[in-house]
Order: sequence, then structure tokens, then C-alpha cells
Amino acid sequence: KQEVTQIPAALSVPEGENLVLNCSFTDSAIYNLQWFRQDPGKGLTSLLLIQSSQREQTSGRLNASLDKSSGRSTLYIAASQPGDSATYLCAVHHNTDKLIFGTGTRLQVFP
Amino acid sequence: GAVVSQHPSRVICKSGTSVKIECRSLDFQATTMFWYRQFPKQSLMLMATSNEGSKATYEQGVEKDKFLINHASLTLSTLTVTSAHPEDSSFYICSATTHRGKTEAFFGQGTRLTVV
Repeated sequence: KQEVTQIPAALSVPEGENLVLNCSFTDSAIYNLQWFRQDPGKGLTSLLLIQSSQREQTSGRLNASLDKSSGRSTLYIAASQPGDSATYLCAVHHNTDKLIFGTGTRLQVFP
Repeated sequence: GAVVSQHPSRVICKSGTSVKIECRSLDFQATTMFWYRQFPKQSLMLMATSNEGSKATYEQGVEKDKFLINHASLTLSTLTVTSAHPEDSSFYICSATTHRGKTEAFFGQGTRLTVV
């Protein structure tokens, strides 16, 4: 059974810091991995999608890496801003057609 | 990115009644749709996976007779919560992908269900 874990569960940092959020999964048989952002009471916004054959993807201040063999992905946020405060979720598209979510990291960036 | 529209965004219903939630892919054909439930301050729990034209595959512990899922077309899936009870109150979110999950997943805005 695919299990997805995110560390840390919560993070509070001052504005301007560079951050690393971690995601690990137990079964490497995945199609791809996606990082999302969720604001309180809202739906999900897709941030980055990494195909299983790729090593990383970048979008603005965000960079996500994937090490499929070790079952790990990291989301790097450069120069964090208060507007980055949200819950960040990683999800793996398992090859059984399931999209399994991690436990989430609640990020707070204070001015 | 592609747009997935979920309706309604909020619904309040009485115990014992049924509620239908719609999930539409507006600008692409969704071969696979996922339904999730989210409890406060927790991650998304996959309830079921549905492929167009076939029966939904439910996760262990999810009552298929209580949570009816229909994926009748490539742009519409519905979740019906039957005989709702207060413990069914939650945030329900749908997701849609193409190519049986091999591509990017797009999410609806979510539905906040309150059963009174």
C-alpha cells in the first residue's frame, strides 16, 4: 500500500528565508508526483508536476526535485513571503490509477 | 491549467436527506476522476476512483452504497451522499485527470457539506 509522508508537519519562518519541504513515498511505482498548495477552506492549486522520468521542475521561486528510487521529493521555496503561507501537499500518481496525498506541511511565513 | 468546476461550494442539509455534488471538467475530457474527503487540518483522504463508463473503485472503509459515484461522461462525475448524517459533514473535493492518471491532476474548489 502506497503511503506518502511529509516532513515537517508545520513550519513557521520569518520572511526571506529559503525553505525545504520534504515528501517521501513507500512505493516507487509512480507515474508522476505533484505538489499543491491549499489555503484554508479552499480547494487545491497545482504548483508543480514532475513526471517519473524527470529529476526536477521549476516555477518562479519554486523548485521541486524527485528521486524516484529512494522515494523522495523536495519542494524548495526561495525567498519566502507572507503570501506563501498555506498548507503544502504532495501527491503521487500511483500506477494503480490512484492519486495519493501526503500528510501536508502547514507553512507560516511572518513579516 | 485546465479548469475543474465543483458545485455546490457549500450545502447544508437535514439528517436523512441526500445531497448530490457535481464535478465538471470544463475544457478537457477527464478519463479519470477522484473523490476525496478532508477533515479539518488533515490531508485529503481518497474515497474512490472512477473511470468514465465504468463503476467506481472505492477505497477500503468507504461505503459505496452511502457514497454513490457516477461518471457518466468524460466531463461530469457526481457524488451523492445518501441518507446523510452529521458525521458525514466534511469538505469534499474532486479531481480530474486524463490518460488514466498519468497526467496532471486538476481540482475542483471543494464542497463544504454540513448535515444538521
